Amino acid sequence: DSGVTQTPKHLITATGQRVTLRCSPRSGDLSVYWYQQSLDQGLQFLIHYYNGEERAKGNILERFSAQQFPDLHSELNLSSLELGDSALYFCASSSTSGLGTDTQYFGPGTRLTVL
Amino acid sequence: AQSVTQLDSQVPVFEEAPVELRCNYSSSVSVYLFWYVQYPNQGLQLLLKYLSGSTLVKGINGFEAEFNKSQTSFHLRKPSVHISDTAEYFCAVRSISGNTPLVFGKGTRLSVIA
Repeated sequence: DSGVTQTPKHLITATGQRVTLRCSPRSGDLSVYWYQQSLDQGLQFLIHYYNGEERAKGNILERFSAQQFPDLHSELNLSSLELGDSALYFCASSSTSGLGTDTQYFGPGTRLTVL
Repeated sequence: AQSVTQLDSQVPVFEEAPVELRCNYSSSVSVYLFWYVQYPNQGLQLLLKYLSGSTLVKGINGFEAEFNKSQTSFHLRKPSVHISDTAEYFCAVRSISGNTPLVFGKGTRLSVIA
């Protein structure tokens, strides 16, 4: 158990809908990272928040947004969902603002299925 | 920008046999290197990382990896695998300058056969 929790574990929804994925980092960690894992693209970095502020953006679609709240939990919002958004979404946390030496601790993921 | 190539998508191996999972990377800047393991229906767990110093890095569960700068490789090895090592293994790199994302390879599925 990494100490990172993600809810829900599974999510099934229809095209065009909007969903929110939630992540609670390890106690004391200030950074939260979001990743998307799909069969064709592999593991892709989406976005990084540190202590409530966005620090880096990766291949995140405009239909997707995220935020980190004062209690440090983070939410990833996916809207106007398409079939191709079906994937496993991971969050990871770390203690620093993004040092290269950082170890990122991954949650168990949320499996999103868009029908 | 960095990229990671894991040369084998699947590696079947018999129990108690040695295994090597290959990883090559490309980067215009110096990087740190990582291996993560993903067991079925779980998140990723760090196996080991190379930051500096000795090029042979030992990790958890008896795994080790060797950093070869001239060949831009970071191959993962285990001298004797167990059934419980069956999992997906990911090689990743990250710029040493920090505040850059982990860049992952596509993964290698290790299947240990009894």
